[in-house]
Amino acid sequence: GAVVSQHPSWVICKSGTSVKIECRSLDFQATTMFWYRQFPKQSLMLMATSNEGSKATYEQGVEKDKFLINHASLTLSTLTVTSAHPEDSSFYICSARDGGQVNYGYTFGSGTRLTVV
Amino acid sequence: AQKITQTQPGMFVQEKEAVTLDCTYDTSDPSYGLFWYKQPSSGEMIFLIYQGSYDQQNATEGRYSLNFQKARKSANLVISASQLGDSAMYFCAMRGPNAGNMLTFGGGTRLMVKP
Repeated sequence: GAVVSQHPSWVICKSGTSVKIECRSLDFQATTMFWYRQFPKQSLMLMATSNEGSKATYEQGVEKDKFLINHASLTLSTLTVTSAHPEDSSFYICSARDGGQVNYGYTFGSGTRLTVV
Repeated sequence: AQKITQTQPGMFVQEKEAVTLDCTYDTSDPSYGLFWYKQPSSGEMIFLIYQGSYDQQNATEGRYSLNFQKARKSANLVISASQLGDSAMYFCAMRGPNAGNMLTFGGGTRLMVKP
């Protein structure tokens, strides 16, 4: 079946530094990647949608200069949290859209727990 | 705009009993898809079941079934014979009519199975 590998699974960084999160589709081409953020005891909130080779579309209220998304290939999308602050601490999870039938077209990564100290 | 509502923040169920998790949705699109996911404490999103808006029959996947009432815009998840491992967060989600549409999630329901 379709698999999305997300790394790292957890990361602790100092305030002011940048952190890169990778999502890689292992056995299919991810034409679209969705990036979600989830605060404790809350639901998944869409941050941005990226299509291979084009600029990401950010949801209202999400700072595009702070959350840099790159989708340079059909198998790799990255989210970089720049100049991280404690309020950026959250669970980040990607979801790849492949237009296929496995899981009706949405395959999630395993998530990244970011803690900014 | 699409909206998904899960009115039960938390539910208890006795092991081996059935439980229904509620989900209502709102959309003006005639074509849409409804999903249920399980999220254990590890955080991964586990796909459980899917219902298309034009599907005539309610979806079933093992112990999971979806009670789809289109006129009432509800898509409740029924888990039969609950197991301790079913304890988790459960999210209802909806996809719009276009292939590139993202999923919109409800607020989630925390299910706790009692031994």
